[in-house]
Amino acid sequence: DAGVIQSPRHEVTEMGQEVTLRCKPISGHDYLFWYRQTMMRGLELLIYFNNNVPIDDSGMPEDRFSAKMPNASFSTLKIQPSEPRDSAVYFCASSGRGVDIQYFGAGTRLSVL
Amino acid sequence: GESVGLHLPTLSVQEGDNSIINCAYSNSASDYFIWYKQESGKGPQFIIDIRSNMDKRQGQRVTVLLNKTVKHLSLQIAATQPGDSAVYFCAEIPPYNTDKLIFGTGTRLQVFP
Repeated sequence: DAGVIQSPRHEVTEMGQEVTLRCKPISGHDYLFWYRQTMMRGLELLIYFNNNVPIDDSGMPEDRFSAKMPNASFSTLKIQPSEPRDSAVYFCASSGRGVDIQYFGAGTRLSVL
Repeated sequence: GESVGLHLPTLSVQEGDNSIINCAYSNSASDYFIWYKQESGKGPQFIIDIRSNMDKRQGQRVTVLLNKTVKHLSLQIAATQPGDSAVYFCAEIPPYNTDKLIFGTGTRLQVFP
């Protein structure tokens, strides 16, 4: 398996624009997690899904952030409108079951100007 | 709130020496712990895990020690190599939500010749 695949790897956008980050989990994994990493706050869990259903979105910073998982092989994290403080590296991870190793993608580095 | 405490030092070691990276966790009821390695520009990568019914687990050149009495984890890397240079995170699965990983802040390991 190719592992968790994220796209794009880098995104540069202007404040106010919509940003969509994409993730393809490892085939057969039931759980998908979205994280944000910054120097100030480290790795933060934003939201996670079990069998395509959002379970906990308490980490989503505000209503500008939304995530979907329309099927077992695809998820999106959308920011609308984006702000400079959203600049960070966003990671997607998947695991076979909850109490299990999470496998991370390479991340999307987002810069909002 | 609950957190995995990992002071963020930079550990500098000479190539060939052994490295010890420490982590303090806060929840005495946590049952499962994982060490991740994150190289520059990449996502966290699984290294080794340990469950609370064990106090030691060995992998290839790595050993994780768990001291439940003082809620302390350590990662030992034998014969440290330049390729070991990275940020290392410990993570715990808290008892109140076994789907989640709580990550520490990370330790940067620098290996010099």
